[in-house]
Order: sequence, then C-alpha cells, then structure tokens
Amino acid sequence: ETGVTQTPRHLVMGMTNKKSLKCEQHLGHNAMYWYKQSAKKPLELMFVYNFKEQTENNSVPSRFSPECPNSSHLFLHLHTLQPEDSALYLCASSQDQLEDTQYFGPGTRLTVL
Amino acid sequence: AQKITQTQPGMFVQEKEAVTLDCTYDTSDPSYGLFWYKQPSSGEMIFLIYQGSYDQQNATEGRYSLNFQKARKSANLVISASQLGDSAMYFCALRRGSNYKLTFGKGTLLTVNP
Repeated sequence: ETGVTQTPRHLVMGMTNKKSLKCEQHLGHNAMYWYKQSAKKPLELMFVYNFKEQTENNSVPSRFSPECPNSSHLFLHLHTLQPEDSALYLCASSQDQLEDTQYFGPGTRLTVL
Repeated sequence: AQKITQTQPGMFVQEKEAVTLDCTYDTSDPSYGLFWYKQPSSGEMIFLIYQGSYDQQNATEGRYSLNFQKARKSANLVISASQLGDSAMYFCALRRGSNYKLTFGKGTLLTVNP
C-alpha cells in the first residue's frame, strides 16, 4: 500500500559495524528526507535532499552519511554508531520541498549494541 | 520559534464513538500548515489530514476532521465512529508556508476499546 519502502525493517549492529539503510519511493517525488525517532522524543529531521542535492543537514554526526543517487532512492550509511543511536529511522518523500505533504515509509528499527 | 503541543499522552475511546485529539501550536508566521499523522505499532507514519492557515473551511477526510480554531491556535483532530484499527500514536505537525520543515508534537496514544 505504501509508496515509500524501507529496508531492512529491523537491524541490529555492533558499534564497529558498517551498515546501510535503504529507502525507495515510487511516487515520482523529488524530495526525500531522513528522520530519527527516539523513544519519548519528537521526530527529528536529519537530512533533506531535493532533486538529488542535499539541502539540509540538521547537525547530524558524521557517523551518519546520506547518499541520494537519484530522486527515487535514498541511503543512510552507518558506521561506528553509539548505543544512543538506537531508534526508528524513517524515510519520507514529497513532490518537492515546498509546501507538499510528506509521505513516510515504514521505518527501520535500529538497535546498536 | 515554532512549537507544537499535544497535551494528551494517552486517550481511550469506546469503539464506534467519536474522539478528539488536541493540538495547539505557536508560530508568528501568517502562512503555515498543520498535519496529522497516525503511527501504528508497525512504525509507519500515515498521513491523515492537512489544514492550511488560509483555508476557509475545516478539513475533512473520511472519518477524520480537523477542528481548526485559528484565533486559539488549535487544530484538534476528530475521529468519528472509532474502530479498533484506529488504535495508534497520533502526531500533530506544523510547517511554515514556505519551509518544508515539519515540527512534530510528542504524540497521543489512542486506544480504542471493544
């Protein structure tokens, strides 16, 4: 049903591992977003891409590295994470950055041991 | 600064009854938009309804309606004829008209009882 898919849905990794989260949207949108949702905290915007160009980095630590090879795909590369990085990572897309509804994927539940 | 407040951490409603989830906001921008999202336990954030600050009528979408009181800066979500599948977290979000950034509230956990 959703036009935004995310893989994997669940991920457990050690602090020394390197992993990547993938997001794909089938809606023909041009803007894509990464959000972090920690327990008992509001959603936090991490990165924004518009027409494949990064337009926002919300003071995210460098151990998170986004990549947007085209308007349909968005990756979040993870390395040397900390336990406090455990959270639900949500991807969203919108037609473009301006005044459009954002549609979310199902999220990746990340646990860092 | 923008701010979104959802004062109800949890709400209970009987199946088939209506329920109102509160949301107040604070912005000095004359143009803005308000969104409601539903997040079931599976994690996905599902878009429900949108209200623009200049919209003349309250937004409606099926069983969802938005009680928009601009002077009070409130945008409460009304769910009519609650169903068991409505049990989820509900988030209110604010966006300034020319800015894509969404500011989310802390959410309200709705439980629909049979």
